[in-house]
Amino acid sequence: DTGVSQNPRHKITKRGQNVTFRCDPISEHNRLYWYRQTLGQGPEFLTYFQNEAQLEKSRLLSDRFSAERPKGSFSTLEIQRTEQGDSAMYLCASSPRADYGYTFGSGTRLTVV
Amino acid sequence: AQTVTQSQPEMSVQEAETVTLSCTYDTSESNYYLFWYKQPPSRQMILVIRQEAYKQQNATENRFSVNFQKAAKSFSLKISDSQLGDTAMYFCASPISSGSARQLTFGSGTQLTVLP
Repeated sequence: DTGVSQNPRHKITKRGQNVTFRCDPISEHNRLYWYRQTLGQGPEFLTYFQNEAQLEKSRLLSDRFSAERPKGSFSTLEIQRTEQGDSAMYLCASSPRADYGYTFGSGTRLTVV
Repeated sequence: AQTVTQSQPEMSVQEAETVTLSCTYDTSESNYYLFWYKQPPSRQMILVIRQEAYKQQNATENRFSVNFQKAAKSFSLKISDSQLGDTAMYFCASPISSGSARQLTFGSGTQLTVLP
């Protein structure tokens, strides 16, 4: 078990392009979370999966954002028509149960130019 | 709104000294856990310590301990014998009441610098 893995580590894209990030959680963890973190701030919740079901979505998750977790294993987060305001660190975390605490990945840093 | 507040954006401490980071939270949950996470520069978030709200005993993990005041909704982190490797951003986190997700709300963080 190598922890939570996120790819790519860094992504630079032009405004208007689509980007996709991948998260591989710890295999025994059925709970998977996506957060967004801007410089100097705490992570903000985006969405939550329990197994393959997306059960919670934040109001921060506009219709340009979509997330999937097919087969309850890895997850992808796609941002369509990127905007400069989307520039941030996107963090994935997994957990085996509620209130256990998260194991975070190293994040994907997105820069929209 | 349910929030987590860290009122100290930056703190510094001399190596080997003790420092306390403050956190207050506001949750409508009756049974919950509270967490402190550490984020070293350019590195991933690491869980430092966890406190069960219905336990009166304060959690301790080696040099890290908490002072949990449930009535005051206060959850401070004490770091004893500070080491250079403790330099990091520290985030307090509390669950918000939202169905099955039990997602955590994080404070804005305290940047701790340990001085040699």
